[in-house]
Amino acid sequence: AQSVSQHNHHVILSEAASLELGCNYSYGGTVNLFWYVQYPGQHLQLLLKYFSGDPLVKGIKGFEAEFIKSKFSFNLRKPSVQWSDTAEYFCAVIAGYSSASKIIFGSGTRLSIRP
Amino acid sequence: NAGVTQTPKFRVLKTGQSMTLLCAQDMNHEYMYWYRQDPGMGLRLIHYSVGEGTTAKGEVPDGYNVSRLKKQNFLLGLESAAPSQTSVYFCASSWSSGGAYNEQFFGPGTRLTVL
Repeated sequence: AQSVSQHNHHVILSEAASLELGCNYSYGGTVNLFWYVQYPGQHLQLLLKYFSGDPLVKGIKGFEAEFIKSKFSFNLRKPSVQWSDTAEYFCAVIAGYSSASKIIFGSGTRLSIRP
Repeated sequence: NAGVTQTPKFRVLKTGQSMTLLCAQDMNHEYMYWYRQDPGMGLRLIHYSVGEGTTAKGEVPDGYNVSRLKKQNFLLGLESAAPSQTSVYFCASSWSSGGAYNEQFFGPGTRLTVL
């Protein structure tokens, strides 16, 4: 069965530090990859997605992610975090393109930014 | 354009009581989903629908039923609530499950406590 692993459960950084959150998935075929963000008390919002083409994807608020097929990874990065980036981040995968393809979410990484 | 809305926002139930959560979307999406979010477990798919009049089981369907009588609405029912169903429930919708239009849009969530 497909799965998504986010190995960092809680990351604490100071403002202006660089960020990289890991995401690995298990599926050998075509995938769509997503990063969602959930700010405190709010619903999930899409940060960025990879569908096809350039494996380096740029999203909102200065976030980017790189799809490395050989490593089954889709790590999220931001060069300089802000206090407002405090949130929970979820990696997600859709394996294949059929109507039965369902999105699988990772368990999430809580990011805390010290002002 | 309200997007995805959920009713109610909060609810407290006693064990054995029943209730229905309502999800509505105004984006004419074909696909709709119900998830539950528990600490450290990310989002888990309960049931989903690929179009009006259709429903299918997700990862954790036991104890829940759903109906999609109208394209814009997706109802989640708990017939006999149990404390294990204490969770935050999110509804989502999307154009498709595969391809370029599979981004899921989420509602604000319903926080359910079962005593």
